[in-house]
Amino acid sequence: AQSVTQPDIHITVSEGASLELRCNYSYGATPYLFWYVQSPGQGLQLLLKYFSGDTLVQGIKGFEAEFKRSQSSFNLRKPSVHWSDAAEYFCAVGASGTASKLTFGTGTRLQVTL
Amino acid sequence: DVKVTQSSRYLVKRTGEKVFLECVQDMDHENMFWYRQDPGLGLRLIYFSYDVKMKEKGDIPEGYSVSREKKERFSLILESASTNQTSMYLCASSLRRLVTEAFFGQGTRLTVV
Repeated sequence: AQSVTQPDIHITVSEGASLELRCNYSYGATPYLFWYVQSPGQGLQLLLKYFSGDTLVQGIKGFEAEFKRSQSSFNLRKPSVHWSDAAEYFCAVGASGTASKLTFGTGTRLQVTL
Repeated sequence: DVKVTQSSRYLVKRTGEKVFLECVQDMDHENMFWYRQDPGLGLRLIYFSYDVKMKEKGDIPEGYSVSREKKERFSLILESASTNQTSMYLCASSLRRLVTEAFFGQGTRLTVV
C-alpha cells in the first residue's frame, strides 16, 4: 500500500524568504504525485502534479516541485513567499486501480511572518 | 469552472442522530470520494464510488455508509452519530482514468454534541 510522509508539521518563514516543504512517498510502482493547498476553512486546491517526464514540475502561484526517485521525494519549493501563502499544504500519492484514489500526508502548516 | 458542492458548511448534531452529508459535482466525473480531515492525521478516505450504485470502503469506513443513486451526487451517512465523528468532511470527485487529480468541495465541519 502507498503512503506519504510530511516530516514537518509546522514551518514559519519570513515574507520574501524561500520555502521548501518536504514530502517522502512509498509506492511500489511509478508514483503519481500531487501537492494541494488548503486555506483556512476551505477545501483543497491543486497546486501541481507529477505523472511522468520532466522531474521538475511547475504549478500555480509560483510553486514548483522536484521528483527524485532515488530519494522517494517530491519536495515543494517557492523562491519568495508571500503572506497570502500561509495555509496548510498536503502531499498526496495516487494509486491506480478501481478508482484513482489519493493517499495524503498529514500536512504541513505554513506560517508567514511579515 | 469545475465545481464540487457540499450542502452544508457547518452542522451541529446530537449523539445518536442519523446524519446525511450531501455532495454534488457538475463535471460528469465517474469517481467520488468522502474524506475525513483531523488535525495531525491529514485526510483519511472513508468511502469512494467509481460508478452509480457502486461503492467501496476506504481506510476508515466504520460508522459510516454511502449512497450514490445518481452520477452527480454522493451522500455520506452517519447511521448513529457519535462525538468521535466530530470532524471536517471533504468530498471530492475525479475522472475514471488510470490516476488523475481529485477536485474538492469546501468541506463540512460537523460537530456532534
